[in-house]
Amino acid sequence: SQQGEEDPQALSIQEGENATMNCSYKTSINNLQWYRQNSGRGLVHLILIRSNEREKHSGRLRVTLDTSKKSSSLLITASRAADTASYFCATVPSGAGSYQLTFGKGTKLSVIP
Amino acid sequence: NAGVTQTPKFRVLKTGQSMTLLCAQDMNHEYMYWYRQDPGMGLRLIHYSVGEGTTAKGEVPDGYNVSRLKKQNFLLGLESAAPSQTSVYFCASSTYGGGAGEQYFGPGTRLTVT
Repeated sequence: SQQGEEDPQALSIQEGENATMNCSYKTSINNLQWYRQNSGRGLVHLILIRSNEREKHSGRLRVTLDTSKKSSSLLITASRAADTASYFCATVPSGAGSYQLTFGKGTKLSVIP
Repeated sequence: NAGVTQTPKFRVLKTGQSMTLLCAQDMNHEYMYWYRQDPGMGLRLIHYSVGEGTTAKGEVPDGYNVSRLKKQNFLLGLESAAPSQTSVYFCASSTYGGGAGEQYFGPGTRLTVT
C-alpha cells in the first residue's frame, strides 16, 4: 500500500526557477525522508525531517512538514539541469516494530537549460 | 568504499527459471532491504533483514526468498521466475532500522522474464 503520494506527478521548469513538490501521507509518522533518483540509477537520500520538526534546510533544499495536514513539501531553489530526476518521499508509520520505509510514486522533475 | 553493490546489472530469464541476485555492502550496516520498482508504482519492499542470520517479509514477498548468512551480503532468490517479476530490483542498507535513518541504495538490477 502506498503511504505517501507525491504531487505533481511531473514538473517541468526553466533553469534558475524554484521547484516545489508535495507529499501527502495517510497515517501518523515518526519521520519523513526525501530521496532523489536519477534516470536508471539507485536512490540517493536527500533529507530526513522528524515529526517534531517543521522545517529543515540542506543547501538549496528546503523541506517542510505539517503533521496536522499529513503533508510535506520539498523546495529546490535556483534549480539546475543536474536537478533533473525523480523525487520520492518515504515514511514509516509511527508505532513499535515497523521497519518498512514506504515510498510514494514520485515526482519527475525536468529542468530545462 | 564501494557502498552497496549489486550483481548482476541485467538479466533475462525464461519463465520457470531460477536465479539469485547478490547484494553486498561494505559499511557494516545491520539492516538490509530488497525492493522492486515498477513503472508508476514507486518502490515496494520485498524482504528485509535486521541483522546477520535474520530475514523478514515486506509488502510483496510472494515468489521470492532471501538469505543473510554474512552481515555484508543479502541474497534474493527467484525459484521459478514469472513474467510478473519483470522489474528493477534495488538493494539498500542502513545503520538504523526502517525510517530512523537514511538508506543507502545499490545501482539496481534490471530483470526481464519472458
